[in-house]
Amino acid sequence: NAGVTQTPKFQVLKTGQSMTLQCAQDMNHEYMSWYRQDPGMGLRLIHYSVGAGITDQGEVPNGYNVSRSTTEDFPLRLLSAAPSQTSVYFCASSSSGTAPDTQYFGPGTRLTVL
Amino acid sequence: SQQGEEDPQALSIQEGENATMNCSYKTSINNLQWYRQNSGRGLVHLILIRSNEREKHSGRLRVTLDTSKKSSSLLITASRAADTASYFCATRRDTGRRALTFGSGTRLQVQP
Repeated sequence: NAGVTQTPKFQVLKTGQSMTLQCAQDMNHEYMSWYRQDPGMGLRLIHYSVGAGITDQGEVPNGYNVSRSTTEDFPLRLLSAAPSQTSVYFCASSSSGTAPDTQYFGPGTRLTVL
Repeated sequence: SQQGEEDPQALSIQEGENATMNCSYKTSINNLQWYRQNSGRGLVHLILIRSNEREKHSGRLRVTLDTSKKSSSLLITASRAADTASYFCATRRDTGRRALTFGSGTRLQVQP
């Protein structure tokens, strides 16, 4: 299994541009989430999904959209990038199986907004 | 807002010594987890302790949980240079969504 994969690894945007960060998992996990990590801080939840077709907001959802059309994929869309969205973005997934709360993280996407 | 806060923010020890990190949180929880993050990488799950457990071991890791004080500690025994990383506690609240709330982390440096 590849686990949780994220693309791209690095991205530079200009203010006002839009883009989609991709996240995919091959573990058949129902639960997927997006976090952002700012320097010297922990992770903050942006959006999450408990299954295909179901999404909800986290702590810091403004400026981001998500959708979940398949179990495997959970893309994060930046609608109009702002410098405040410069951060490292992590996608994570977990199952409702034997370890329902253990989250598996992708390697992250480092985003810079100029 | 940060649910968990780690203490200390940074810790530097010699190889072979023990490292202790503390985490405090604010609301009732279902479980508390510890994750490790190597520089420039994603987070890796280390250990989970449920609200009805007081202590848990995994290899060189020992986690305690005191729900009355809303605090947890992570002990790494006989540390190695490879343990150099940031360590985060994360809590899942006892109601509502499965999402985790992370603290700001402890940066551990183990000197060879």
